Amino acid sequence: AQTVTQSQPEMSVQEAETVTLSCTYDTSESDYYLFWYKQPPSRQMILVIRQEAYKQQNATENRFSVNFQKAAKSFSLKISDSQLGDAAMYFCAYRRYTTSGSRLTFGEGTQLTVNP
Amino acid sequence: KAGVTQTPRYLIKTRGQQVTLSCSPISGHRSVSWYQQTPGQGLQFLFEYFSETQRNKGNFPGRFSGRQFSNSRSEMNVSTLELGDSALYLCASSLAGTSDGEQFFGPGTRLTVL
Repeated sequence: AQTVTQSQPEMSVQEAETVTLSCTYDTSESDYYLFWYKQPPSRQMILVIRQEAYKQQNATENRFSVNFQKAAKSFSLKISDSQLGDAAMYFCAYRRYTTSGSRLTFGEGTQLTVNP
Repeated sequence: KAGVTQTPRYLIKTRGQQVTLSCSPISGHRSVSWYQQTPGQGLQFLFEYFSETQRNKGNFPGRFSGRQFSNSRSEMNVSTLELGDSALYLCASSLAGTSDGEQFFGPGTRLTVL
């Protein structure tokens, strides 16, 4: 079974600074997808960024980027120029490649605090 | 386009009762997945429905069941409620339920079992 581990229950960053959230996963599959979701206090899960395992290039979405190390099974999220609105719980998630299914396996989450 | 909606948003029940939660996916989306979120167990997959058929099921007891209607709306039912069923239940929809498709989450239903 696939597992996702986030070893940092809490992180904090100063506004405008950069922070990196860590995620490791375990799978025997070679094709899969990785995601970072953000869950603010409203509890609405929002997709931040996704990475296809077959792509070597790291995904980037504005201030958010990932460092995907397939051999090490590591998938970290870097947030640049942190803003107060970035404060939230961040979940790393895995989805295996399949033609019939969209099941996500989530990590435990990292609570990010942004200090003004 | 309206997002995923879940009703009710909050629910209080007592042990032994049953409850039904509803999820309306984004228009045109045919796949609906359900997740349970608790402080102790985190986010866990319950089941997924696609075109009225259950396609995947997580590791939950038979007290948890669901269904999907022809308009893609989905309901999940929990019978004989236990205190441990208190959780945030999240529903997510996607266009075709393929692994490369993006899932859009609803705001969740907060269930409290007393």
